[in-house]
Amino acid sequence: NAGVTQTPKFRVLKTGQSMTLLCAQDMNHEYMYWYRQDPGMGLRLIHYSVGEGTTAKGEVPDGYNVSRLKKQNFLLGLESAAPSQTSVYFCASSYPIAGVLVEQYFGPGTRLTVT
Amino acid sequence: SQQGEEDPQALSIQEGENATMNCSYKTSINNLQWYRQNSGRGLVHLILIRSNEREKHSGRLRVTLDTSKKSSSLLITASRAADTASYFCATMKTSYDKVIFGPGTSLSVIP
Repeated sequence: NAGVTQTPKFRVLKTGQSMTLLCAQDMNHEYMYWYRQDPGMGLRLIHYSVGEGTTAKGEVPDGYNVSRLKKQNFLLGLESAAPSQTSVYFCASSYPIAGVLVEQYFGPGTRLTVT
Repeated sequence: SQQGEEDPQALSIQEGENATMNCSYKTSINNLQWYRQNSGRGLVHLILIRSNEREKHSGRLRVTLDTSKKSSSLLITASRAADTASYFCATMKTSYDKVIFGPGTSLSVIP
């Protein structure tokens, strides 16, 4: 199993450009998440999904959109990138056991710089 | 505001010593989790403790939870250089809620 993979690993954008980050998991997990990590801030939840075709906002959703058209994929879109979106982005997936969500499995991250 | 806050922000110890990190949170929780992040990598789950548990062990890791004080601690015994990483606590308010992470503790274990 590859686990959780993220594409691309690095990207540099100019202000105003758009891009899509792809997250894929091969563990058949229902739940998927997008986080951003900034120095001294820990991880902040951007959007998450509790199943195919569903998405929900997290703590910092502004400026981002997501889609979960297939169970194994969770896409994060930046329509008009801003320097404030310079960050490391992590995708994660999870599943419930006996009705309780257990650990999250993380991808390796995407380092995004917006100039 | 963030649910979990780790203390200290940074910790430096000698190999073989024990490392203790603390996490405080603000509201009631269903469970609390600890994760490790090596530099430049994704987070790896270490241990999960439910709100009705007080202590849990996994290898050299010992986690305690005090719901009356809304705090948890992670103890790493007999630390190794390979334990050098950032450690994050994360809380879930309900069994199906999203996970909220604290800012983390950076641990350096000096050989």
